[in-house]
Amino acid sequence: AQSVSQHNHHVILSEAASLELGCNYSYGGTVNLFWYVQYPGQHLQLLLKYFSGDPLVKGIKGFEAEFIKSKFSFNLRKPSVQWSDTAEYFCAVKSGGSQGNLIFGKGTKLSVKP
Amino acid sequence: AAGVIQSPRHLIKEKRETATLKCYPIPRHDTVYWYQQGPGQDPQFLISFYEKMQSDKGSIPDRFSAQQFSDYHSELNMSSLELGDSALYFCASSSLSGYTGELFFGEGSRLTVL
Repeated sequence: AQSVSQHNHHVILSEAASLELGCNYSYGGTVNLFWYVQYPGQHLQLLLKYFSGDPLVKGIKGFEAEFIKSKFSFNLRKPSVQWSDTAEYFCAVKSGGSQGNLIFGKGTKLSVKP
Repeated sequence: AAGVIQSPRHLIKEKRETATLKCYPIPRHDTVYWYQQGPGQDPQFLISFYEKMQSDKGSIPDRFSAQQFSDYHSELNMSSLELGDSALYFCASSSLSGYTGELFFGEGSRLTVL
């Protein structure tokens, strides 16, 4: 069965610090990769996704992620975080084509100190 | 733009009672997914439907059942509720015909079992 691993359970940064959240997945075939963000008390919102093509994908709010196939990784980055980025971030993988469901990682809670 | 609508937003039940959650997908979306997110946990896939037929099944307990109706809305029925069923239940929808790979999530229904 596929699985998604997020390396950090809780990350604490000061504003303007750079962010990198790790994500590895286990599935060896073709996958679609996603990062979702969940602000406190809110629903999941898509940050960015990778299907094919350029392995460096850019999302909303200045986030980007790089797909490295050889490492089965899809790490999320942001050069300079803001207090408003405080949220939980979930990496997810979707296999099985268009009808496959999303498998989520355990999530990484990001706390940004003003 | 229309989003995924879930009702009720909050629900409080006693042990052994039943509960029904409803999900109205984005118009013209044909696929509905149900996820359960326990406190501090990642979303766990329960079940999905495509064109009113079950398309995939995850960790849904036998006490739970779901269906998708002709208007594409879906209902999750939960019986013999247990304390451990207390969670946030997310519904998501997507469109296979206009497939972008993204699942659009509703704001969730928070179930508390006392």
